[in-house]
This record gives sequence, structure tokens and C-alpha cells, in this order.
Amino acid sequence: DAKTTQPPSMDCAEGRAANLPCNHSTISGNEYVYWYRQIHSQGPQYIIHGLKNNETNEMASLIITEDRKSSTLILPHATLRDTAVYYCIVRRGRGGGADGLTFGKGTHLIIQP
Amino acid sequence: DAGVIQSPRHEVTEMGQEVTLRCKPISGHNSLFWYRQTMMRGLELLIYFNNNVPIDDSGMPEDRFSAKMPNASFSTLKIQPSEPRDSAVYFCASSSRDLNEQFFGPGTRLTVL
Repeated sequence: DAKTTQPPSMDCAEGRAANLPCNHSTISGNEYVYWYRQIHSQGPQYIIHGLKNNETNEMASLIITEDRKSSTLILPHATLRDTAVYYCIVRRGRGGGADGLTFGKGTHLIIQP
Repeated sequence: DAGVIQSPRHEVTEMGQEVTLRCKPISGHNSLFWYRQTMMRGLELLIYFNNNVPIDDSGMPEDRFSAKMPNASFSTLKIQPSEPRDSAVYFCASSSRDLNEQFFGPGTRLTVL
């Protein structure tokens, strides 16, 4: 699986959009971009995933650049409960059961009141 | 659904003792994953099963670690003998190929003195 690079930490004001970047310059054509987050002392939680197109669900939006070398996770209206470590993961398998997840160090997002 | 269930939630033991961690996946899921999280190494995949069969155990640190899945609703991760460097939070996750995500349990915090 391709390696990802994320900033170690970011701050965002409550109510504003949080934009979390991820670089994955060695991504292959058949690899997906997944985002998970881990709230303190809890297990990781799936947020969203995509291949080429931008994706949106009830939690977030995922913007993937045309060359697929980077992506941005957007939390449109951040709340204090969004404070967590966010992991960007690139993997070949599609579907939760396809294979294991390779976690990097992630971005510690802190939402400020 | 109760989600992925792990027991015990906390375990404190002495070096050299046998430790058994337990996991009950979400009903209907046919993939089960064991992860370990430490400050130094982050989240690492240890082993995963599909349809109760171990598929990839390359993340298992050494022979002291073993994992079994005797049926679709139960898995164990055993450490014998335990060492202080095994202290970590151990997460179990379950999924299936037709789902997008892996569902993580609350974790077992293991402390080996």
C-alpha cells in the first residue's frame, strides 16, 4: 500500500470547516483513499473513502485531486466532539473485510471553542 | 447491535504470565482483525481472519503471540509468556467484504509489570 503523509497536528475553531490534507504521491490506480478517526481512548471509526471522485456523506467530504496524489478531508462545521486523531489510509482492497488497515501517525485535530 | 465486544477491558499482569484477550465480532461479519496500539509504534495490524481462517499473521511480533478463531462469533489473542514490552491497547475489529468499513471494539488495555 502507498505511503501517506499528514501534518502532525492542526487547530480549528468550533463551527468552522476543518480541512485535513493528506499526501499520497505514490498511490496506484487501483488504490483507494480511506479516512478513519480515533477519539481519545476509543477504537478507530470509519469516516469516508474514495477512488477518484469526490465523495460526501453525513460526516464529511473527501476531495481527491485529479492526479490522485493528494486528498483533503473536510468536516464542514467542526464541533468539540470532532477533536480526534485523523488517519488517511491508502489501500488496495475495497470493502472493510478485504484486508487489514495500515495506520500512519495521523493528524491530531483540536477544535477550539 | 452491541458492536464488537472485547474482554477484559483492562488487564494487569506480571511478566511471565499468560494473557488471553477475547473478542466477539458483530454478528454476520466474516472478517476479524486484531490490532495493537502503543505510543512508540502507533496502530499496527497483528493478524486477520476471513471465515475463521487466518489470512495474514505477518504482524504477529513473535512466537509468544497466538490467535485463534474457533467459530464465527469468537476469537482469542494469547500472549505466553507476557513481557513488559507487550503493554499496549489491543483492538479487535470486524467487517465483511460488502461493507465499506471495519468496526472497532473498545479495546483491551494490557499492562505487564
